[in-house]
Formats: sequence, C-alpha cells, structure tokens
Amino acid sequence: AQTVTQSQPEMSVQEAETVTLSCTYDTSENNYYLFWYKQPPSRQMILVIRQEAYKQQNATENRFSVNFQKAAKSFSLKISDSQLGDTAMYFCAFMPRGTASKLTFGTGTRLQVTL
Amino acid sequence: GAVVSQHPSRVICKSGTSVKIECRSLDFQATTMFWYRQFPKKSLMLMATSNEGSKATYEQGVEKDKFLINHASLTLSTLTVTSAHPEDSSFYICSARPDIYGYTFGSGTRLTVV
Repeated sequence: AQTVTQSQPEMSVQEAETVTLSCTYDTSENNYYLFWYKQPPSRQMILVIRQEAYKQQNATENRFSVNFQKAAKSFSLKISDSQLGDTAMYFCAFMPRGTASKLTFGTGTRLQVTL
Repeated sequence: GAVVSQHPSRVICKSGTSVKIECRSLDFQATTMFWYRQFPKKSLMLMATSNEGSKATYEQGVEKDKFLINHASLTLSTLTVTSAHPEDSSFYICSARPDIYGYTFGSGTRLTVV
C-alpha cells in the first residue's frame, strides 16, 4: 500500500513571494505518477502539475514547479510569484502506473496568500 | 480538456429519504469512475470504485447498502445515498480517468440531510 504525507497543515505567503509545499510518499512501485491538485474555496479539484516517475526532469507549469527526488521519495511544489488566486488547499497525490490504478491523497496543505 | 460533470451541486433532503448524485464523463468514455467523500478541511476519502457493467468495489468500512452505486453506461455513474441521515451530510466528489496520465474530477455535491 502507498502512503502520502504532507507535513504542513497550513502555510502563508505574501503576494509575489515564493513558497514551497512539501510532500513525501512511500511505495514499493517503480513506475508511478505524482500529482499536485489545488482545491480552491469552490472545492473543484484542479490539477496543478504532474510528474512521471521515470522522467528525471522536474515538471514545470508556468509559476508552478516541482522538486522530484525519487530516491528520497520526495515531491515538493514550488509556487513562484504567488497570487491571491493561489489561495487554496493543495493535495499531493500518488498513482501507480496501470489502468486500474487509484489515487492516494495526502492530508493537504492550506495555503493562504496575503497582501 | 476532459470534463466530468456532476449533478446536483447542492442538495438538501429530509432524514430517511434517498438522494441520487450523477457523474458524467462528457467527452470520453469511462469504464471506471471513483466516488469520494470529503469532510470539512480534510482530504478526499475514497468510498468506492464504480465499474461499468458490473458491481462496484467498496472500500473497507463503507456500507454498500447505504451508498448504492450504478454504472450503467460508459459515461454515467450514479451514487444513491439511501435512507439518508444527518451523519451522511458531506461533500461527495466523483472522478474519472480520460487517459493514462491521471484523473479529472467533478465539481462535487454538497449533501445536507435535515
């Protein structure tokens, strides 16, 4: 079984600053995907970024980037130039590669972006 | 991009009645869909896996008779909360997998049982 741990229940960052959200996971799988999802107050789950474990290059999506350390089983999310609209709950998630794979979520980090 | 539509977004029902929530994949076929429950300020808890044309697979501790799941077509799964009670009040979310790279989520249903 896989586990995903997010050790930061809440974080705060000022607008335009950079913040890093931590995530670690435990698995015996070798091929898998890792995700960061954002859940704003509307509660719609939005995919922020995806990392394929077999790719060494860290994924980036505009202001969002990850630091994927496979050996350490670490998958942190860096948000640059934070915006008020980034205020949300952020969930780290793990999915083994395979057609019937389920997502395993972390407990989430509540990010507040302030003026 | 792939869209999963979930209805209703909010529902209030009386204790003892049943409520049906629909989850549709709009532009792709989904042989499998997932139903989650989310308590306030908590993570998503997987309730069950909905399988097209066969029985759903429930997670440990989830009452099958309370949460009926039907996946009658490749684009529609329904969750029926039977004989609802106030403790069933929660936020329910469905998801489906449009490709091998991950999941798309519905917008969720806020159920309030009074």
